[in-house]
Amino acid sequence: EAGVAQSPRYKIIEKRQSVAFWCNPISGHATLYWYQQILGQGPKLLIQFQNNGVVDDSQLPKDRFSAERLKGVDSTLKIQPAKLEDSAVYLCASSRENEQFFGPGTRLTVL
Amino acid sequence: KQEVTQIPAALSVPEGENLVLNCSFTDSAIYNLQWFRQDPGKGLTSLLLIQSSQREQTSGRLNASLDKSSGRSTLYIAASQPGDSATYLCAVRDAGNMLTFGGGTRLMVKP
Repeated sequence: EAGVAQSPRYKIIEKRQSVAFWCNPISGHATLYWYQQILGQGPKLLIQFQNNGVVDDSQLPKDRFSAERLKGVDSTLKIQPAKLEDSAVYLCASSRENEQFFGPGTRLTVL
Repeated sequence: KQEVTQIPAALSVPEGENLVLNCSFTDSAIYNLQWFRQDPGKGLTSLLLIQSSQREQTSGRLNASLDKSSGRSTLYIAASQPGDSATYLCAVRDAGNMLTFGGGTRLMVKP
């Protein structure tokens, strides 16, 4: 089966600009996650969706970050406006039962 | 709040050595524990998943153990090879299917 797809793979923007990331989970996986991984650290959960509803977004900086999962399949994560400290890899994962499968990530550099 | 710590943060060994990576967690009420591998610029690849009722899991040269009561897990790599060079991440899952990651161990196996 196809894995979790993410695009773009790399993005470079200037601070205060906006950026959006896209994720297509594994077919049939109801749960979708977005993680932020800062260089040298482990991934940190930003938001978890169950179908198209939000389960947990307690660590999402809602003043600048937003995410949606329309129709319970694909998801987009947006940052507006970006700050220097948002430079990181943004990982998307999906799961059906008790194991998460990760996409390749989007590496964001904010200058 | 669950906290996961991995020691050492970095490790460099000559090829052929057996090695142990350590992971500790503060809340023993976990559903399972998972070890991942991450290559530079890539996503996470699941190596081993240990359910909370299990003591260990093996896959090829990899063996992971779990002592839930003491909040510890180890990943044992036998006869290390240069291709094993990567970052190894430990993550614990709670009943809500949320993963909390450690900071990772960066492994370098020298030929």
